[in-house]
Amino acid sequence: SQTIHQWPATLVQPVGSPLSLECTVEGTSNPNLYWYRQAAGRGLQLLFYSVGIGQISSEVPQNLSASRPQDRQFILSSKKLLLSDSGFYLCAWALLAGVINEQFFGPGTRLTVL
Amino acid sequence: AQSVTQPDIHITVSEGASLELRCNYSYGATPYLFWYVQSPGQGLQLLLKYFSGDTLVQGIKGFEAEFKRSQSSFNLRKPSVHWSDAAEYFCAVGARNTGNQFYFGTGTSLTVIP
Repeated sequence: SQTIHQWPATLVQPVGSPLSLECTVEGTSNPNLYWYRQAAGRGLQLLFYSVGIGQISSEVPQNLSASRPQDRQFILSSKKLLLSDSGFYLCAWALLAGVINEQFFGPGTRLTVL
Repeated sequence: AQSVTQPDIHITVSEGASLELRCNYSYGATPYLFWYVQSPGQGLQLLLKYFSGDTLVQGIKGFEAEFKRSQSSFNLRKPSVHWSDAAEYFCAVGARNTGNQFYFGTGTSLTVIP
């Protein structure tokens, strides 16, 4: 069966510090991968998605970046965090196929920038 | 442009009462529709999905949803709510584009009172 992991689960970082959040998927190959941010009281904002290794599409201009160094690994990074980067970050995967498949979500990372 | 509207930010129901959560979508073609549930501090879990065929779809935990093309709606229902149903509920539409992106509503928070 497929599983998706995210770490760390929680993170408290000072403004201006770097960030690296990791997401890995097991039990599937060549998935679509997604990073979302969920701010308090708001819905899910798609930040990045990837349809293959090294292929990253950005949906929202910001100081965050994403990379996919391996088929089932997706990393969210920042060189300098802002207060506004605080939120709940969710990684998701979906089968790469001709139809739209459901997305499966990881447990999330709670990021607090102070 | 694709979008999803969940008009109710917060709903409170008594345990054992029926529930209906509203979802309206905007999409130029036949939509792929999803309902997810999120418990506090957790990732999202798929409740049900509609791709085609029967417009009344059954999901997990006793939930069902009805697709009404004429009203651009995909409302979620449950005949008898349990205290464990208290959570955040998100409706989403999947788009046929690169990455098969999902567009989420802002969510409805459900409180269940004994």
